[in-house]
Amino acid sequence: AQSVTQLGSHVSVSEGALVLLRCNYSSSVPPYLFWYVQYPNQGLQLLLKYTSAATLVKGINGFEAEFKKSETSFHLTKPSAHMSDAAEYFCAVTPKGGGADGLTFGKGTHLIIQP
Amino acid sequence: GAGVSQSPSNKVTEKGKDVELRCDPISGHTALYWYRQSLGQGLEFLIYFQGNSAPDKSGLPSDRFSAERTGGSVSTLTIQRTQQEDSAVYLCASSYLGSGATADTQYFGPGTRLTVL
Repeated sequence: AQSVTQLGSHVSVSEGALVLLRCNYSSSVPPYLFWYVQYPNQGLQLLLKYTSAATLVKGINGFEAEFKKSETSFHLTKPSAHMSDAAEYFCAVTPKGGGADGLTFGKGTHLIIQP
Repeated sequence: GAGVSQSPSNKVTEKGKDVELRCDPISGHTALYWYRQSLGQGLEFLIYFQGNSAPDKSGLPSDRFSAERTGGSVSTLTIQRTQQEDSAVYLCASSYLGSGATADTQYFGPGTRLTVL
């Protein structure tokens, strides 16, 4: 069984400030981890993924995430927030080798950017 | 290239009616997934197709839900005798999953917003 916990359903930061969105996972096998972003009335867009290569993963739009096995975490960061980053962010996990399991998503974090 | 497309983008139906939702995956992608996104339940995985293999239906919410994939490409999700709790956004995703491959990136369509009155 696997699960994902995203701490904070809403996160508000000022434009130019650091963005930190938290994700912790629970998985019985080493997982693959993903961050997706969803803009209003749109589908999900992949930001980045961890597939057991480098533990620090760089994605699109200046985002990155670090896989920490000891903390079972995969937090998403961006050094300087931009107004266009306002969206819903989802962390997701899937076991290695198992497309049939689909993705298990967290509840999502709504990122608000204050001008 | 073209991404995953879904139709219709919006569907309003009356309780008890049947609905069909369509998904066109990215050309060449072997795997296709359906998810449901609702306020109360978040994003839920429903069903997965790999090539022409029979899908695992255990994730479908009830026996009113069914899905098929014709020719290893286009997929249809059918909901019979719709109920108000079926109101949600239904998302489709596809990925390339070769033989023995591990999980790969899923690319999502824009979704179909279903409203059951």
